[in-house]
Amino acid sequence: IAGITQAPTSQILAAGRRMTLRCTQDMRHNAMYWYRQDLGLGLRLIHYSNTAGTTGKGEVPDGYSVSRANTDDFPLTLASAVPSQTSVYFCASSDYHNTGELFFGEGSRLTVL
Amino acid sequence: GQQLNQSPQSMFIQEGEDVSMNCTSSSIFNTWLWYKQDPGEGPVLLIALYKAGELTSNGRLTAQFGITRKDSFLNISASIPSDVGIYFCAGQETSGSRLTFGEGTQLTVNP
Repeated sequence: IAGITQAPTSQILAAGRRMTLRCTQDMRHNAMYWYRQDLGLGLRLIHYSNTAGTTGKGEVPDGYSVSRANTDDFPLTLASAVPSQTSVYFCASSDYHNTGELFFGEGSRLTVL
Repeated sequence: GQQLNQSPQSMFIQEGEDVSMNCTSSSIFNTWLWYKQDPGEGPVLLIALYKAGELTSNGRLTAQFGITRKDSFLNISASIPSDVGIYFCAGQETSGSRLTFGEGTQLTVNP
């Protein structure tokens, strides 16, 4: 059972470069989310999607974009990376009823130099 | 937006000791949840609470949904080395709404 798969696991990136973090789920969950985790700040929501074809902004959306062309995939793109985007990024999903249980991937560690 | 204040930020304890951590909110939540993140992995749900005053156990873990609906606590009894990790509280204002996470409590257990 794969659950949520994120790629890459880690990446070092030069500032100004474009980067896409991939996320795929095989649970047929309707909702998907991208969080960033920074020391002392917990998990902050970047963007979310309640269902395929729709997306919404979270708490810290600036500098990031997402798309949801189908149920399974939810890529996160940094159009022009900056050092403050150095973080660990987690993709998550939840089912239609969204009782609060999120299923997380193992994270993508991004370093922007 | 809502804010969750989680404390303590970190704890260093000896194996066998009990642990308590809590979360308070400026808003009322209908759901409180506690997640654990093992080193190098994503968070995993430990306990979900859906009713004010509810007390729920999962093995050595016990969590309560505060009566005011603005707080929750998590207790771990007789800690063991594998309890190491970051514990996050999370709140949900209404069913289906997005979660707000606390800042996390980093737990270290010394054998």
